[in-house]
Amino acid sequence: QVQLVESGGGLVQPGGSLRLSCRASGFSLYSHGMYWVRQAPGKGLEWVSHLSSDGRKEDHGISVKGRFTVSKDISKNTFYLQMNGLRGEDTAVYYCAKDGGDYFMDIWGQGTTVTVSS
Amino acid sequence: QTVVTQEPSFSVSPGGTVTFTCALTSGSVSTSNRPSWFQQTPGQPPRTLIYSTRTRSSGVPDRFSGNILGNRAALTITGAQTEDECDYYCLLYVGPGNWVFGGGTRLTVL
Repeated sequence: QVQLVESGGGLVQPGGSLRLSCRASGFSLYSHGMYWVRQAPGKGLEWVSHLSSDGRKEDHGISVKGRFTVSKDISKNTFYLQMNGLRGEDTAVYYCAKDGGDYFMDIWGQGTTVTVSS
Repeated sequence: QTVVTQEPSFSVSPGGTVTFTCALTSGSVSTSNRPSWFQQTPGQPPRTLIYSTRTRSSGVPDRFSGNILGNRAALTITGAQTEDECDYYCLLYVGPGNWVFGGGTRLTVL
């Protein structure tokens, strides 16, 4: 069964850092690109980042560019989001999602909550 | 910055038909934008309904259909059911390496 489980969320002070993890099962990250999508409280979905299947190309939304990076560990079948310089507006539920192969997300995790506050 | 717009809300009677649209403020939506649609109930992650403009994801009922109508992507529910009451989001690839969600449409079925 294809499944994604996020972890690593929590409370962090403005300017701080946090690394989110997304453990995949039922498929290999070696063969698939991955996304991070977030949803601020009471708001809509926002695309955050994408990592290509070969791990060589990463793209980020304008609101996080220069602060967030993505990576994956094939041996652990885990996808990561490194978040630096966190701001209050980064407070959200963060979902990881599997790349369906045609510029869309086909499988979603349950999400992990990040709160940026002093 | 590219903005994708959706109707904020819609209401439909049970068994009725409703069409949501997804537009680009900067131009027309085409199949090149690879439109996809997602359904989300409160407190749950999104569920993928439609990808590549009109392909239904596995397990999605055939009352959901996607298309391009004029210069917009569209999601139609034919024979709406009470369990369809939730939020719907479109996603467009506006490239290169850039994806944008619409603001979402809240559907009420009553």
